[in-house]
Amino acid sequence: DAGVIQSPRHEVTEMGQEVTLRCKPISGHDYLFWYRQTMMRGLELLIYFNNNVPIDDSGMPEDRFSAKMPNASFSTLKIQPSEPRDSAVYFCASSGLSPSGARSTDTQYFGPGTRLTVL
Amino acid sequence: DAKTTQPNSMESNEEEPVHLPCNHSTISGTDYIHWYRQLPSQGPEYVIHGLTSNVNNRMASLAIAEDRKSSTLILHRATLRDAAVYYCILSDYNTDKLIFGTGTRLQVFP
Repeated sequence: DAGVIQSPRHEVTEMGQEVTLRCKPISGHDYLFWYRQTMMRGLELLIYFNNNVPIDDSGMPEDRFSAKMPNASFSTLKIQPSEPRDSAVYFCASSGLSPSGARSTDTQYFGPGTRLTVL
Repeated sequence: DAKTTQPNSMESNEEEPVHLPCNHSTISGTDYIHWYRQLPSQGPEYVIHGLTSNVNNRMASLAIAEDRKSSTLILHRATLRDAAVYYCILSDYNTDKLIFGTGTRLQVFP
């Protein structure tokens, strides 16, 4: 498996523009997590999904942020309009059942991240 | 969410054992203890996790105190590649969430 795939790897945009970050989880995983990492705030959980349904979005900073998971193999995190303070590295992670069928959401597999710079 | 306390930084020489401590005095009976690490310019990666008993895997060992209020991640022989930020995290079995703290930055010298 290729692991969790994120695109783009780098994004530079201007304030006010819409930004869409994309994530493809590991095949067969039923949990998907979006995190944001900054020097000031560290690694923060924004939202997570189970079976494509948002379970907890309490970490989403404000209404400018939205996340969707239209199917088991794809998720997006959208920022509209973007602001300079949104500059960060955004990580997607997935987890799921182990081959034995046991719940194994303890192990989250992270993607390489998208480095977002908003000018 | 129960909180963990880790030293900000630690140093080690290559091929020496490293013991990374973590205090979690408010841990509850259903909290698992997880360790992840983040290499420079990469996403976090799973290292090990446990509930009550000590755990070993190919990457490290996890020693859990009898009262579960502290734990230690043990790297048996540090390599330069082990230089990373190590996060100790508690998670309740029912929440699926991992709440990352500030972690310990481990430096490994040749």
